[in-house]
Amino acid sequence: DAKTTQPNSMESNEEEPVHLPCNHSTISGTDYIHWYRQLPSQGPEYVIHGLTSNVNNRMASLAIAEDRKSSTLILHRATLRDAAVYYCILRDSTGFQKLVFGTGTRLLVSP
Amino acid sequence: DARVTQTPRHKVTEMGQEVTMRCQPILGHNTVFWYRQTMMQGLELLAYFRNRAPLDDSGMPKDRFSAEMPDATLATLKIQPSEPRDSAVYFCASGSGRATYEQYFGPGTRLTVT
Repeated sequence: DAKTTQPNSMESNEEEPVHLPCNHSTISGTDYIHWYRQLPSQGPEYVIHGLTSNVNNRMASLAIAEDRKSSTLILHRATLRDAAVYYCILRDSTGFQKLVFGTGTRLLVSP
Repeated sequence: DARVTQTPRHKVTEMGQEVTMRCQPILGHNTVFWYRQTMMQGLELLAYFRNRAPLDDSGMPKDRFSAEMPDATLATLKIQPSEPRDSAVYFCASGSGRATYEQYFGPGTRLTVT
């Protein structure tokens, strides 16, 4: 499984944008980039995913570098509820939907 | 709002006892995953099923763990005998196999083995 690298933690203030980086220099052409987050005492939840183009949904935006070796999850206006561990995961589209979770980035949001 | 349910939510047991954890996937989902989360190891995939057939259980200690799907609405993870090192939160997730490959996680079973 291709590896991702994320900062251990990041801090943000409420209502400010947050940019969570992820490096995946060994990504292959068939790897999708997935983001999940885990709120305290809950199971992980899907946030967004993409292959090559930038993606937007109601939760976040995903910006993918042109060479696909890095990506950034963008929360446009952080809320206290966004405090969670965010996982950047590569999933081989030829595989069986297997997700390999790393250590993620713990996002702290201050009022 | 369809959700994955897991029972029990908490379980405390003594070493050597059998533990059974249950998961009800979202109706219509054909893929079920079992994960374990500890502080030391993070989230680890133990096993997963598609259309009730086990596809990969390489992450599971075979001598004491077993996972089954008796029917499409129930997945079970059994530990026999349990050991203190099995203490963790066990998550079940289900997926529909559509192009998004989203996995929907349950709330987890917190297992403590004393």
